[in-house]
Amino acid sequence: DAGITQSPRHKVTETGTPVTLRCHQTENHRYMYWYRQDPGHGLRLIHYSYGVKDTDKGEVSDGYSVSRSKTEDFLLTLESATSSQTSVYFCAINRLAGGYEQFFGPGTRLTVL
Amino acid sequence: SQQGEEDPQALSIQEGENATMNCSYKTSINNLQWYRQNSGRGLVHLILIRSNEREKHSGRLRVTLDTSKKSSSLLITASRAADTASYFCAQNRDDKIIFGKGTRLHILP
Repeated sequence: DAGITQSPRHKVTETGTPVTLRCHQTENHRYMYWYRQDPGHGLRLIHYSYGVKDTDKGEVSDGYSVSRSKTEDFLLTLESATSSQTSVYFCAINRLAGGYEQFFGPGTRLTVL
Repeated sequence: SQQGEEDPQALSIQEGENATMNCSYKTSINNLQWYRQNSGRGLVHLILIRSNEREKHSGRLRVTLDTSKKSSSLLITASRAADTASYFCAQNRDDKIIFGKGTRLHILP
């Protein structure tokens, strides 16, 4: 267990509302990632961070923003949630065990009605 | 898409049998990883094989890599009910890891 928690674990919201998901790590890792997982698509990278205030886009970044003001927290924000953003969201950190293996949080199930 | 492709998409076998899953990828790699995901949980790292390795073992897991064919396989020997899960291959790409769509493995009692 790499000490990764996600909050909330489940959320139901309405179209057009803002939503923020939080990822918290206790091991001071530099790299943090946000993925979404949908049937038929596997895991797709939304955004990632390589340090405090250093972030970059992934494969499916449209409609999402991120912030990292301190090492332990990486926030994912949906400014105006849409039904297409209904998904399971996973946070991960890189543990440089000789090859950038990733450790995942437990996931957040988000439903946008 | 830069994703690798696992094959088959789904696999059901009897407990005790061996399970083989394949992964094909498109670009050159430094290493390739395999992950397992139990239902409702996050992914768990299983094994990493470097581009200069051809085979690697970890317990009941055996991974092979053929860089000339851009493919890898994961073999689980003597399967157990607890092996029921989805299995993903993943490639490192700069600071990112690109995951395939996974193989759903179901072990029948």
